[in-house]
Amino acid sequence: SQQGEEDPQALSIQEGENATMNCSYKTSINNLQWYRQNSGRGLVHLILIRSNEREKHSGRLRVTLDTSKKSSSLLITASRAADTASYFCATDAGANNLFFGTGTRLTVIP
Amino acid sequence: DAGVIQSPRHEVTEMGQEVTLRCKPISGHNSLFWYRQTMMRGLELLIYFNNNVPIDDSGMPEDRFSAKMPNASFSTLKIQPSEPRDSAVYFCASSLPTGNYGYTFGSGTRLTVV
Repeated sequence: SQQGEEDPQALSIQEGENATMNCSYKTSINNLQWYRQNSGRGLVHLILIRSNEREKHSGRLRVTLDTSKKSSSLLITASRAADTASYFCATDAGANNLFFGTGTRLTVIP
Repeated sequence: DAGVIQSPRHEVTEMGQEVTLRCKPISGHNSLFWYRQTMMRGLELLIYFNNNVPIDDSGMPEDRFSAKMPNASFSTLKIQPSEPRDSAVYFCASSLPTGNYGYTFGSGTRLTVV
């Protein structure tokens, strides 16, 4: 399977703390993307990192990519209750079709 | 732009009935994807189109499933006959074709087959 795996499966933190989620994948990639899904809703694109990039920032989000280890991490700083959602990594091997991981369920406690 | 529009939002049908799910992608997006999400299997890519042409349908579970994209602004996913194990949330997504842009997902269709 080309699907990635997120770790941990579930994460519960206090508001204001940082949240880190990890993603491992199996194949060579063109880019890796992170998405958020609120309960009962569609997925929302957060950030894309290309295979030749090692780190990328967007607001309170920081993504790293280590292609030698086939892994990525998503850091959400200063978390808010509104960040409560499931977070998925997705890999694009170059054919513009994404394969999604299993997701991390993040709960931010006010 | 109103985003990717899917209809219906919810569908409850009896086993054996035909089900048609609809999707309108974002104008200008040349790639369209159909995904299925279940608790057991997560998000599965069923089929995707580039410029209205099906590129890869290897994810379609069986011949009961079919998808069409007659023009750049409309796609359908049909299940005939439906079975209880088809119950899932079906998402449509669209993107620019170059592979360096994210997908825009619709709100999904929750299908329940009883």
